Amino acid sequence: SQTIHQWPATLVQPVGSPLSLECTVEGTSNPNLYWYRQAAGRGLQLLFYSVGIGQISSEVPQNLSASRPQDRQFILSSKKLLLSDSGFYLCAGEQGNGNTIYFGEGSWLTVV
Amino acid sequence: EDQVTQSPEALRLQEGESSSLNCSYTVSGLRGLFWYRQDPGKGPEFLFTLYSAGEEKEKERLKATLTKKESFLHITAPKPEDSATYLCAVQASVGYIPTFGRGTSLIVHP
Repeated sequence: SQTIHQWPATLVQPVGSPLSLECTVEGTSNPNLYWYRQAAGRGLQLLFYSVGIGQISSEVPQNLSASRPQDRQFILSSKKLLLSDSGFYLCAGEQGNGNTIYFGEGSWLTVV
Repeated sequence: EDQVTQSPEALRLQEGESSSLNCSYTVSGLRGLFWYRQDPGKGPEFLFTLYSAGEEKEKERLKATLTKKESFLHITAPKPEDSATYLCAVQASVGYIPTFGRGTSLIVHP
């Protein structure tokens, strides 16, 4: 099965500062990759997904961007963080379509 | 548009008190239905995938079942360590983006 690694696990960033969350995948090649945000008491909000290197689709217009520089690497970024960007960010991966989706341990972001 | 509704939002049980969580869905052709367990501050942990109506899967005290409109996660004689949020997701046969429900928060009291 796949293993999804995310880092950092927690970070506190000031408003207006940049962001980089990194996700790497082990145990599979050419996975579909996803970035989700989860607010307290709410469901998973899909932010970005990717079916291959350099292929990024955005679900929600916002202050964030994503990149996939390598097959098993997915990066979530921001040039200037807003308070509303605070939340729990999850990376997920799926080998092909219709297979099990595995999640990383998540990254807690607090913007102050 | 695919939709997933989980009920109840929250459930409190006494240890040993069996119950079921519901996941109702509408999807244009089901490729798969997934159940996850999520502990506070952690990423969701995969439990089961169900593909067709009538399918059942079990793991320890958990049993997942599937019909054409809903799935149930049955918890038999739960223990406090079963306390978590349980998420349901569906994946349509057209496309691949999964749709998640908001989850059921389960608390099992000793």
